[in-house]
Amino acid sequence: QVQLQESGPGLVKPSETLSLTCTVSGGSINNYYWSWIRQPPGMGLEWIGYIYFSGSTNYNPSLKSRVTISVDTSKNQFSLRLNSVTAADTAVYFCARLSYYDRSPFEHWGQGTLVTVSS
Amino acid sequence: DIVMTQSPDSLAVSLGERATVNCKSSQSVFFSSNNKNFLAWYQQKPGQPPKLLISWASTRESGVPDRFSGSGSGTDFTLTISSLQAEDVAVYYCQQYYSTPRTFGQGTKVEIK
Repeated sequence: QVQLQESGPGLVKPSETLSLTCTVSGGSINNYYWSWIRQPPGMGLEWIGYIYFSGSTNYNPSLKSRVTISVDTSKNQFSLRLNSVTAADTAVYFCARLSYYDRSPFEHWGQGTLVTVSS
Repeated sequence: DIVMTQSPDSLAVSLGERATVNCKSSQSVFFSSNNKNFLAWYQQKPGQPPKLLISWASTRESGVPDRFSGSGSGTDFTLTISSLQAEDVAVYYCQQYYSTPRTFGQGTKVEIK
C-alpha cells in the first residue's frame, strides 16, 4: 500500500519561502500524478497543483505566480515551494497521489503537515 | 473555474437513519466521450486527511461500506449514507476533476442527532 509523508518546517516567516517535501513509500513515483492540496485551519480544501513523474506540471492560477512543484524520481519524492508567503498561507498542507492519468481523483493522501506563517 | 456548492452545510441525523448530502457544480462535469462524471466524494474525520469514498460519481472505493452510495450526473450529485453509524461522523467533500483548477465543495458536516 502506497504511503505518503510530508516533511518540512512548521513555521515560516512572512515574505519568505515555504518548502515541503513528500516522500513516497510502498510504491514507485513513476507513472503517476502527484499533487499538493492545502487546508487552512477550520476551512475547506484548496488544490495547489500537480506534477507528473516526468516533470510536467499544472498549477492553480490563484497561486501560479508563487508556486513551484518538482519531482525527484531517484529519491521517490516530490516537493512544493511557495514564495512570498503571508498569514493567508497558514494551512495544513497535504500531498496526494492521483492515478495514471491527471483527470482522476486523489486516491491516496499523506497525513498532512501544519505550516504557520508568522514572524 | 468550476464552483462546487454543497448543501446543507451541516446536518444531524439519528443513528440508523439516512443522511443525504448534495453537491452542485457550476458547469457539467460529464464527459460524453467516456460517459463518465468526473466527480469524487471524500470523508474527512478530525485530525485526519480526506479519504476517497466514491469516484466517477457512483463508484465506491475498495473497502468503503456499502451504506455509502453516490448518484447524479451532469451538475447535480448526491452522497447518501443509508444507515448512519457513529463512525460516519465527519465532514464530507465533493470534488470535480473534470478541469483545472481542481475544486472542492465547501464541505458538509454530518453529526449524530
